[in-house]
Amino acid sequence: EAGVTQFPSHSVIEKGQTVTLRCDPISGHDNLYWYRRVMGKEIKFLLHFVKESKQDESGMPNNRFLAERTGGTYSTLKVQPAELEDSGVYFCASSQVQGTYEQYFGPGTRLTVT
Amino acid sequence: QKEVEQDPGPLSVPEGAIVSLNCTYSNSAFQYFMWYRQYSRKGPELLMYTYSSGNKEDGRFTAQVDKSSKYISLFIRDSQPSDSATYLCAMNANDYKLSFGAGTTVTVRA
Repeated sequence: EAGVTQFPSHSVIEKGQTVTLRCDPISGHDNLYWYRRVMGKEIKFLLHFVKESKQDESGMPNNRFLAERTGGTYSTLKVQPAELEDSGVYFCASSQVQGTYEQYFGPGTRLTVT
Repeated sequence: QKEVEQDPGPLSVPEGAIVSLNCTYSNSAFQYFMWYRQYSRKGPELLMYTYSSGNKEDGRFTAQVDKSSKYISLFIRDSQPSDSATYLCAMNANDYKLSFGAGTTVTVRA
């Protein structure tokens, strides 16, 4: 069974540019989560999808971030326009059952904004 | 105050030693407690979980939870160089949001 995959693994962009991160969850997992770790800080929750619906986006830092999940399959996280403080590692996780500890994480996308 | 505080480390131990990792938390609503292992440039991998006070053992790993003190620990016995990684505690309140500690980097010297 393939795990959670994320693309790209690393992205370097200039301040003001747009970047789109992609996450493919484990097949059959209805729940998809985005987390972020900025340098020296804890991994923080960003948002949660159940199928194609956003259940909670309380962790999204501001309206420059837009997450979508087309048809309840893969998800994208767009940052537009990117700022320096957006640099960090963005993790995607998925789970089969809501409210479970069994969230499976992808390898992350390392975003560097210069 | 952070919801989850984790001993910062780093820790460097000789092969075969016992590794002790600790976290404290402030949110009484937390019910599920997890330990993740993260190798460099990889995503967090779930090692152990527990939801009650007490000890849970899995091979060389023992997770300990003390809800009255809001304190959790992970012990690694007979540590191996392959255990060298960053260990993250995480917890949630029977919902989907995981709250993580900052992580402790462990190096096991051969």
